[in-house]
Amino acid sequence: SAVISQKPSRDICQRGTSLTIQCQVDSQVTMMFWYRQQPGQSLTLIATANQGSEATYESGFVIDKFPISRPNLTFSTLTVSNMSPEDSSIYLCSVLQSSYNEQFFGPGTRLTVL
Amino acid sequence: AQSVTQLDSQVPVFEEAPVELRCNYSSSVSVYLFWYVQYPNQGLQLLLKYLSGSTLVKGINGFEAEFNKSQTSFHLRKPSVHISDTAEYFCAVREMIQGAQKLVFGQGTRLTINP
Repeated sequence: SAVISQKPSRDICQRGTSLTIQCQVDSQVTMMFWYRQQPGQSLTLIATANQGSEATYESGFVIDKFPISRPNLTFSTLTVSNMSPEDSSIYLCSVLQSSYNEQFFGPGTRLTVL
Repeated sequence: AQSVTQLDSQVPVFEEAPVELRCNYSSSVSVYLFWYVQYPNQGLQLLLKYLSGSTLVKGINGFEAEFNKSQTSFHLRKPSVHISDTAEYFCAVREMIQGAQKLVFGQGTRLTINP
């Protein structure tokens, strides 16, 4: 199974600032995703991170607010821009490992915006 | 569009009792079905999956689930729970939507095991 690490594991940020979350996978994967889990709620897909091209965003999420990079098959970043308290959530990186037909999740980044 | 409904937001159970966590989905095409567990302050861990074949699938930690196509359900069961099973459980469905693989989650069921 894929091993996924995320940095930072948690952060407390001020309103109006931006935070970049890193996701590193121990093997090459074709598909990487970013999810948000708001307090006490389920997971919502933000976008699919495409290697070498722009990310594909879900309804309600835009590139200006959540820019994503994916420079290679093992790494991606998600930036939460111009943060407000409503952005306080856990952000999770996920990969689809085709050989197992399974989707694995990173440990998450717990973000608190004051 | 697909949706996943977990009928119970919270399920309290006594230790060593059986438990069933319900999940229904709506989809007009073949889907892959999953159950994930999230222990307090941790990430998601895959419990089990249904891709094809036998409708009864066994997972880790003694859990199993049964795929019922006619009822579009994928309920999770365990015959005897332990305190350590206290966690949030998510049912998820993956299918192709507009040429892209999407994993859609239910709202989650908080399982609380009481001694």
